[in-house]
Amino acid sequence: GENVEQHPSTLSVQEGDSAVIKCTYSDSASNYFPWYKQELGKRPQLIIDIRSNVGEKKDQRIAVTLNKTAKHFSLHITETQPEDSAVYFCAAGFVSGNTPLVFGKGTRLSVIA
Amino acid sequence: GAVVSQHPSWVICKSGTSVKIECRSLDFQATTMFWYRQFPKQSLMLMATSNEGSKATYEQGVEKDKFLINHASLTLSTLTVTSAHPEDSSFYICSARLQPGQYLYEQYFGPGTRLTVT
Repeated sequence: GENVEQHPSTLSVQEGDSAVIKCTYSDSASNYFPWYKQELGKRPQLIIDIRSNVGEKKDQRIAVTLNKTAKHFSLHITETQPEDSAVYFCAAGFVSGNTPLVFGKGTRLSVIA
Repeated sequence: GAVVSQHPSWVICKSGTSVKIECRSLDFQATTMFWYRQFPKQSLMLMATSNEGSKATYEQGVEKDKFLINHASLTLSTLTVTSAHPEDSSFYICSARLQPGQYLYEQYFGPGTRLTVT
């Protein structure tokens, strides 16, 4: 089955700096890679996702890149703000069907004002 | 966007009692729902896949007789923690993907239920 590794487990950055979180996956058949943000005590919220037919996707300050050959994908947050502080999870799975996503262990991001 | 709700949002129960958690898809039909457990500062661990009208599929290491799952309709799945013990205290989150054939394929999460067993 799929296995997702995520690094780093914790990340502290100064406000305004960029943050990068990296994930690798094991199943080359996976074709859907979302990123979730979870604030304390709340549900995970999708912030951006990418499908395997795309190498990069950007939404304002957030971007995700995918390298299918190497089986890794990354989340990039630019111009970080204190409200970006949260736990971020990467996941891998399939675009369609009833199979659940497999999540990484999460990265606790702290943005220091 | 699609909405998944859970009830209750938090519950405290005594050791040995059973607790039922409901997960509803409010504006779409979900043939499949997923139940996750999350311990403090840890990741989302898939417990089981709930299939409407059939038996749930449990992940390795999850006791199916302890965590009873029922998916009686296209909008409701329930998780019952039977004979709860303090080590069952956790954050339980349900999730659903839209029915195959729809455009959206995002996996939506419920708000979670915090269970504390005393």
